[in-house]
Amino acid sequence: DQQVKQNSPSLSVQEGRISILNCDYTNSMFDYFLWYKKYPAEGPTFLISISSIKDKNEDGRFTVFLNKSAKHLSLHIVPSQPGDSAVYFCAARGYGGSQGNLIFGKGTKLSVKP
Amino acid sequence: DSGVTQTPKHLITATGQRVTLRCSPRSGDLSVYWYQQSLDQGLQFLIHYYNGEERAKGNILERFSAQQFPDLHSELNLSSLELGDSALYFCASSVVAGSEAFFGQGTRLTVV
Repeated sequence: DQQVKQNSPSLSVQEGRISILNCDYTNSMFDYFLWYKKYPAEGPTFLISISSIKDKNEDGRFTVFLNKSAKHLSLHIVPSQPGDSAVYFCAARGYGGSQGNLIFGKGTKLSVKP
Repeated sequence: DSGVTQTPKHLITATGQRVTLRCSPRSGDLSVYWYQQSLDQGLQFLIHYYNGEERAKGNILERFSAQQFPDLHSELNLSSLELGDSALYFCASSVVAGSEAFFGQGTRLTVV
């Protein structure tokens, strides 16, 4: 079963507008969430994270929102730039016996059009 | 450059063969993770080592094994390879388990 879900395989946004990438998770024991960006032929790059004790974390153009009751997080990119075009992965930190490993969603491919 | 080094970058081998993928973590990182990314799939967690000890196993096949050496580098061994094992294999490292992990560029394995 997929514990971290990114239900939109792709998203297309105009340059300068907001990009909103969504992620849902099933396990209420997850306590730490991360977003990664991946360009073709490269490894994923850490972007931003949020602890479950917060509901928002901001870093420049990137903001992550966490809604624990809905088990939902989102990544907002404002304003979007063509260089943001990449695959974005949401990840959650495992718990218990899996403490420490990151569980990833399948990713959302963002295309920012000039 | 994430500081995580994976070798080789590309590997083509035949079915039934055995290969070893190598990962050097960032300096000072004790945790090493291995992930598999198949076509149209996300990053599937395989295994996590911390300071030489296995910490967690994910969807890792019995034909696959890994280890982390005293110098903290890690190797992922894939044996009796099948066509379906063709994928990108990523290694990642972090200072402590569960913190931000930094990924290498991956090894693209093609089984023919």
